[in-house]
Amino acid sequence: SSELTQDPAVSVALGQTVRITCQGDSLRTYYSSWYQQKPGQAPLLVIYGENNRPSGIPDRFSGSSAGDTTTLTITGAQAEDEADYHCHTRHSSGRPYLFGAGTKVTVL
Amino acid sequence: QVQLQQWGAGLLKPSETLSLTCAVSGDSFSYYFWSWIRQPPGKGLEWIVEINHSGSTNYNPSLQRRVTMSIDTSKTQFSLNLSSVTAADTAVYYCARIRDYYDTSGENTAWYFDLWSRGTLVTVSS
Repeated sequence: SSELTQDPAVSVALGQTVRITCQGDSLRTYYSSWYQQKPGQAPLLVIYGENNRPSGIPDRFSGSSAGDTTTLTITGAQAEDEADYHCHTRHSSGRPYLFGAGTKVTVL
Repeated sequence: QVQLQQWGAGLLKPSETLSLTCAVSGDSFSYYFWSWIRQPPGKGLEWIVEINHSGSTNYNPSLQRRVTMSIDTSKTQFSLNLSSVTAADTAVYYCARIRDYYDTSGENTAWYFDLWSRGTLVTVSS
C-alpha cells in the first residue's frame, strides 16, 4: 500500500508501556517520524529517523522499525502523554510525504 | 529561537482562493525546505506542498492543480494559495520546516517536520 496505516486508538495504564504501530510499503525504504498532538495544538516532533529524539522530548519515547512497520514506544506512560500520535514518511516512489491517520492514546 | 508565524483569511466562500503567509524568524532560512500541511477537523494530517529558497517546489498530486506556493527570501516568508476552495478544504493549515535525516551509513533516509506554526483554521462556507 502507498498509505500509512495506524490503529485508531489504544489505551495504556498509567506507568505501563504502550506501542503504537504504523504500517506501509514506503517504510521499507525510508525511516519514519512521529508527532504528538494534543487538542488544539500543533503537532510536536517526538521521534525521527532510526530512533532520535529532539531536545526536550523525554527518553520514555523511543522508535523502532522492521520491514514495513514502524513502532513508537512509550515506556512508563504519563498522564501528559495522552494525545494523538501521527506517523510520517516519504513515499517510496519519490513523491513526497505521507501521514498516517493518527492513533489516539488514552492513559488510564 | 526560531519561530513560524502565519496569517491569512479564516473564512472563505466556495470557489474563492485561500491565501496564507508564513514568516520565519531567527533561522537560516535558505538552508531548508518549507512546507504547508493541513488537518481537517477531527482528521489526520495531509501534506500539501514544499519549497526551498530557490523556489523549487514539490506538490501533493491530489492538490497540485489548485496549489501555488511561493517564497520571498528577502522577507524570509513563504506563501500558499489554494484556488477554487470547497467545504472539503476546511481545515487547520500549518506551515512547517523540513529537515533531512542521514542514517549511520550517510544516506538520506528520512525527512521530518521539526518546527510547526500554531496553525490557522480556514473555514469554507457559503
